[in-house]
Amino acid sequence: NAGVTQTPKFQVLKTGQSMTLQCAQDMNHEYMSWYRQDPGMGLRLIHYSVGAGITDQGEVPNGYNVSRSTTEDFPLRLLSAAPSQTSVYFCASGAPTRGLFSYGYTFGSGTRLTVV
Amino acid sequence: SQQGEEDPQALSIQEGENATMNCSYKTSINNLQWYRQNSGRGLVHLILIRSNEREKHSGRLRVTLDTSKKSSSLLITASRAADTASYFCATDHRRDYKLSFGAGTTVTVRA
Repeated sequence: NAGVTQTPKFQVLKTGQSMTLQCAQDMNHEYMSWYRQDPGMGLRLIHYSVGAGITDQGEVPNGYNVSRSTTEDFPLRLLSAAPSQTSVYFCASGAPTRGLFSYGYTFGSGTRLTVV
Repeated sequence: SQQGEEDPQALSIQEGENATMNCSYKTSINNLQWYRQNSGRGLVHLILIRSNEREKHSGRLRVTLDTSKKSSSLLITASRAADTASYFCATDHRRDYKLSFGAGTTVTVRA
């Protein structure tokens, strides 16, 4: 099925560990992004990419790295996990036309991360 | 920083009633979008309204946009139990594709 696939769905990490959250889309969307969702705070943008080889920081980038070597994949790396990174992480993709979105983003089902 | 702010934070209505929620934002937009999130799931796009549009409809959804007041409203008519979810507005302020989300309105539809 077409869409955004995130793995894993759940993860528990110890403080200081590193890991990569995977995100893949099969819709040939140029734009991909990572958000974290915390209770009462909505979604906050971590990093985003407007195409392969191009990434930029969002609102809360510290402690996270991204890369975009292909159109399909946009992994998010936690360098040294901290309890403050306990959250639900969502990957999203979209296809702006001439600089404008005609349609909304497509979201993955999320990764629930707990750092102990 | 969050641009969109939804109001109310929570809403409880009877099945068949209408649900209205509002979104305010701070700076000018290219477009405003509404999303739904069911418990434990990802966000689903509902509707997008451009800055030069004032009203859009999609099924039982009606969205209005007042750029002079920097506000939008989402109306769900004839609500159903399946409409129980959190609803988020998201604003696109510049042509860099970044969306800013509000904290959401939690809607509970009672049978």
